[in-house]
Amino acid sequence: AQRVTQPEKLLSVFKGAPVELKCNYSYSGSPELFWYVQYSRQRLQLLLRHISRESIKGFTADLNKGETSFHLKKPFAQEEDSAMYYCALSDSWGKLQFGAGTQVVVTP
Amino acid sequence: DAGITQSPRHKVTETGTPVTLRCHQTENHRYMYWYRQDPGHGLRLIHYSYGVKDTDKGEVSDGYSVSRSKTEDFLLTLESATSSQTSVYFCAISLGQNQPQHFGDGTRLSIL
Repeated sequence: AQRVTQPEKLLSVFKGAPVELKCNYSYSGSPELFWYVQYSRQRLQLLLRHISRESIKGFTADLNKGETSFHLKKPFAQEEDSAMYYCALSDSWGKLQFGAGTQVVVTP
Repeated sequence: DAGITQSPRHKVTETGTPVTLRCHQTENHRYMYWYRQDPGHGLRLIHYSYGVKDTDKGEVSDGYSVSRSKTEDFLLTLESATSSQTSVYFCAISLGQNQPQHFGDGTRLSIL
């Protein structure tokens, strides 16, 4: 069965410090992975998609099939990065399996 | 923002009453989804639709039904609401099976 694990419920970092959000998955096929972000009082929005390999708002994520991980990283956190982040795995039918989410708090 | 409107945005109702949530899109996307968001669980798929009158169950479909009579509308019905269905419900749309999903603003539902 497919599963997405985000081990950290809360991540508190100082402005300017690096931030890494962990995501591990289990899936028997070839995974399609996403990171979604939900800022306070806003709708959930797509942050990154692994096949596009682009950097959005300074965030990057690399798919490591050997470690079955898709960790999200940013070298210098900003206060506006405070949000809830969800890792999600898409199956062959396009259905998304979400992790439980990681709340990021960036303090000045 | 993608043209997705969820209604109502907030609702409080009593156990045993029927409840219908509406998702309306103006993007002409083929796929539509209903999720519930609960602390510690992230978002979980309730039902989804891959076309008019074509729907299928998700991970947590018990107690819920859906209908899609036209491309732009996807309705979620709780036939007899229970307190365990208190949650925030999100609708999402996508162009295709592995295309990114775009979410609505959510409906906060409280069952007393």
